[in-house]
Order: sequence, then C-alpha cells, then structure tokens
Amino acid sequence: GAVVSQHPSWVICKSGTSVKIECRSLDFQATTMFWYRQFPKQSLMLMATSNEGSKATYEQGVEKDKFLINHASLTLSTLTVTSAHPEDSSFYICSATMGLAFYEQYFGPGTRLTVT
Amino acid sequence: DAKTTQPTSMDCAEGRAANLPCNHSTISGNEYVYWYRQIHSQGPQYIIHGLKNNETNEMASLIITEDRKSSTLILPHATLRDTAVYYCIVRSGGYQLIWGAGTKLIIKP
Repeated sequence: GAVVSQHPSWVICKSGTSVKIECRSLDFQATTMFWYRQFPKQSLMLMATSNEGSKATYEQGVEKDKFLINHASLTLSTLTVTSAHPEDSSFYICSATMGLAFYEQYFGPGTRLTVT
Repeated sequence: DAKTTQPTSMDCAEGRAANLPCNHSTISGNEYVYWYRQIHSQGPQYIIHGLKNNETNEMASLIITEDRKSSTLILPHATLRDTAVYYCIVRSGGYQLIWGAGTKLIIKP
C-alpha cells in the first residue's frame, strides 16, 4: 500500500530556533499534501493544504510566516516551524493523496516537537 | 459538511465484536461516511467508508441505517491492538477531513 514517512519522528529544540519536518510519499506521487497539528488529548487540526509547485493554502488562524510549507516535488513536502516557542510543542502529522479517490489519503506517522 | 456525534469512550472485551456508533442526522444525499482510527502517538489509519449500502473489508464492517442518519462500525473480533481513537467523518467531496473528538475504544483482555 501507499506509504508516507515523516522525518524526524521526534525533535527537541530551543525556543527561538527553527525546525524543519519532512513528509515523503515513498511509493507514489502525491498531488496534494496536508499538514495537521494535534495537541495532547485533542483531535487533529488541519493547518494547511499544499499542492506540488504552488503556494500552500493555510487554514484560518494559522500563521503562514511562522509555519512555512514547501511542496517542491510530488514526493516531498516540508514544514518549517520558524522561531519556535513552547506553545508550538505539538504532534505534527502530514498526509498525502494521489488525487484518485477521496478516501485515499495516507497519513504519516507523525513528528513530536518539543520546544524548551 | 454534516456534523457527527460519537460516544467519548467505549470498552470491549478481547475477542468480542466492537460496535462503534456514530450519529450524523444532518447528512445530505451526496455525503459519504468515513471511518479512521488513530493508535496512540501514530498517524491516523483509514478503515472503511460508505454512502448508503453496508460495506465490509478485511478490517471492519460499516452498517448505515436506511435513513442514513446514523451508522455503526463493527470490528468483528477485537484484539488488544484495536485499542485506539476511532473517528467518524462525513464528507461530500474534496480532500479535507474535519476531525471530531472521536471515540476512545479500549479493548480489555
């Protein structure tokens, strides 16, 4: 089946630094990728939708200058958390779709970010 | 998109069938019902989806009422590895998924 990977699986960084999270579709070309954030004991919140070669579409309330998304190829999307603060500590999950059928949205394993 | 209502948590004995209900009373004719689950600290996993007919795959069965206002996900022989949060999502099109709180299913030995 379609596999999506994320790297790193967990990261600890100091307040004020930037962190990049990679999302890769390993065996398919992803026309669209999604980035979610999940706080402890809460549900997934969509942050942004990105299509290869175009600017990401951010959900209301998500700062696009703080959460930089690059979808440079059909197999790679990156999320950079700039000037991270402790309140950015969360579980970040990406998903990818080939665009063939709605339910075929494949999720990565997630990245646990802790900002100290 | 229609809103869904699920119980906060449920328990089920290992080896028994787990029946997870979902209410979607405002569902419209072209909206599908999707089920995903999320095991602790992992990404969500697609389980099954349906429009109006009952559906079955290797993971589960989906029973949708005739009026489509509710549905039930059935895990026929629950194992400890089925302990997870189960999300019922109603969606008509596009790729965005709106996630509710889900049902925390605990399988007990």
